[in-house]
Amino acid sequence: KQEVTQIPAALSVPEGENLVLNCSFTDSAIYNLQWFRQDPGKGLTSLLLIQSSQREQTSGRLNASLDKSSGRSTLYIAASQPGDSATYLCAVKVGAGSYQLTFGKGTKLSVIP
Amino acid sequence: DTAVSQTPKYLVTQMGNDKSIKCEQNLGHDTMYWYKQDSKKFLKIMFSYNNKELIINETVPNRFSPKSPDKAHLNLHINSLELGDSAVYFCASSVTGRGRGAFFGQGTRLTVV
Repeated sequence: KQEVTQIPAALSVPEGENLVLNCSFTDSAIYNLQWFRQDPGKGLTSLLLIQSSQREQTSGRLNASLDKSSGRSTLYIAASQPGDSATYLCAVKVGAGSYQLTFGKGTKLSVIP
Repeated sequence: DTAVSQTPKYLVTQMGNDKSIKCEQNLGHDTMYWYKQDSKKFLKIMFSYNNKELIINETVPNRFSPKSPDKAHLNLHINSLELGDSAVYFCASSVTGRGRGAFFGQGTRLTVV
């Protein structure tokens, strides 16, 4: 059974710092991996999607990497801003015909002005 | 236009009542899901429908009954509500295969009193 772990559970950094959020999964046979952002009381916003054949994806100040063989993904946020404060969730899809995402418990990020 | 919309956003009801949450997606996706986010913010799959057919039914009490009248809609009906049903329920959709990952609604915060 696929399990997804995110470390740390919470992170507080001063504005302007670069930071890395970690995600690990137990079954390396994933189809893709998706990073989401969740603001308090809000839904999930998709940030980046990495297919199993890809090593990384970039969007603005965000860069997500994927190392399938070791069961790891990282989300790098450059020059953090207070507006980046949110909970970041990692989710994996096991196969093309899989109809579910398995989520980690998230990392709650606070960027201090 | 909202890609995945669910109503209501908030729902407060008494124990024993029956309630429904509606979900609609305008993305042309063929797969829709219901996820439950508990008090610890952990997201877990409840149901998945592909082309109106039930694909995944996790260990969910049979008081929960999903209904998919067409590919764009997946509603969730809950009978005899219990205190433990209080949570945030998220609807999501995706397309089979690679696509662009899953898209989530804004969530319905259900409070059973």
